[in-house]
Amino acid sequence: DQQVKQNSPSLSVQEGRISILNCDYTNSMFDYFLWYKKYPAEGPTFLISISSIKDKNEDGRFTVFLNKSAKHLSLHIVPSQPGDSAVYFCAASGSGNTPLVFGKGTRLSVIA
Amino acid sequence: DAGVIQSPRHEVTEMGQEVTLRCKPISGHNSLFWYRQTMMRGLELLIYFNNNVPIDDSGMPEDRFSAKMPNASFSTLKIQPSEPRDSAVYFCASSLDGGHQPQHFGDGTRLSIL
Repeated sequence: DQQVKQNSPSLSVQEGRISILNCDYTNSMFDYFLWYKKYPAEGPTFLISISSIKDKNEDGRFTVFLNKSAKHLSLHIVPSQPGDSAVYFCAASGSGNTPLVFGKGTRLSVIA
Repeated sequence: DAGVIQSPRHEVTEMGQEVTLRCKPISGHNSLFWYRQTMMRGLELLIYFNNNVPIDDSGMPEDRFSAKMPNASFSTLKIQPSEPRDSAVYFCASSLDGGHQPQHFGDGTRLSIL
């Protein structure tokens, strides 16, 4: 049973537009959420995180939004650039340094 | 600063052979994680260590899999005997302890069992 779900396997966006990647979770004990970016033949790279005490965290072109009541988070990338084309993984964990639970990823293609 | 280093990057071997994957975590990190990525199941946690001690190995699929962390700078994941269904990309990650810390991943070992 998947505790972290990314329902869109792929997404295509034009360069300069906003990319919105979505993630849903089922475990109400999760209180820390992360997004990772993965290029082919490389490991996932940490992008941005958010604690459950916040509902928004911004870092440059990347913003993560958390809706605890809906158990939903999203990653916004604006403006999207061709170099953002990668697979994006959503991950979540409970309190302490517990392991991450990953979604299956969304492949983002930014078209020039 | 060096990131998480995994070796080998690629391994192709015949069914029944022993396979050993290696990982050097980021210096100073005291948690280490082994993951397996497949098309069907995505990224799955196999085992994790904290201060060199295995904390949770419930993700290890079978007794054929074993992992060790003899010191803070080295870990191995061993499969003996290997089977074709073990073919996957295996990632190692490390993190600092103390509250929520992001995990940092190596570039993985692509394992193919023929």
